[in-house]
Amino acid sequence: AQKITQTQPGMFVQEKEAVTLDCTYDTSDPSYGLFWYKQPSSGEMIFLIYQGSYDQQNATEGRYSLNFQKARKSANLVISASQLGDSAMYFCAMRARGSQGNLIFGKGTKLSVKP
Amino acid sequence: ETGVTQTPRHLVMGMTNKKSLKCEQHLGHNAMYWYKQSAKKPLELMFVYSLEERVENNSVPSRFSPECPNSSHLFLHLHTLQPEDSALYLCASSPRREEQTSPLHFGNGTRLTVT
Repeated sequence: AQKITQTQPGMFVQEKEAVTLDCTYDTSDPSYGLFWYKQPSSGEMIFLIYQGSYDQQNATEGRYSLNFQKARKSANLVISASQLGDSAMYFCAMRARGSQGNLIFGKGTKLSVKP
Repeated sequence: ETGVTQTPRHLVMGMTNKKSLKCEQHLGHNAMYWYKQSAKKPLELMFVYSLEERVENNSVPSRFSPECPNSSHLFLHLHTLQPEDSALYLCASSPRREEQTSPLHFGNGTRLTVT
């Protein structure tokens, strides 16, 4: 079975500091994709970053980077230089062959950026 | 217009009403999805359509009835709902259902309240 675990219900970070949001996953598929989404209070689900199971390097997109540790089955999101607009829910998700490519989500982490 | 568009953004309906949620994508994708997001629960996949054919129905009550008339449009018909059906309903699309490397693109969601 495919499963995503996010153990931090809420996180606080000071503006301009970096923050790491944790994500662990479980799958027996050798091929899978890991995704992070941001959901502001308005509700839209915004795609941030993708990491493939065979990618040798950690993915980066602007201020977002993904700390991918395959042996530990973790895919933590690092946000550098936090901004007030980063306050939102963050979801880790996975697509794998075992789930027919369906996107499976974790419960999310609520990030609050303090001025 | 590009992206995934959902209407209405907000909907309040009584338990005896019949209403429909609409989703439209202009990304040329072949797969479309309905997700339900309730408070304090992970996003739940409800229905998946691939090339206008329903390929997954995750034990969703029959009071929810999806329709996919073409690859660009997806509807969710609602009738005799219960108060516990109140949630954010998110539509998404992706290039192909089986493609694990592509993110799902989400609409802004319809916030449904059943009174």
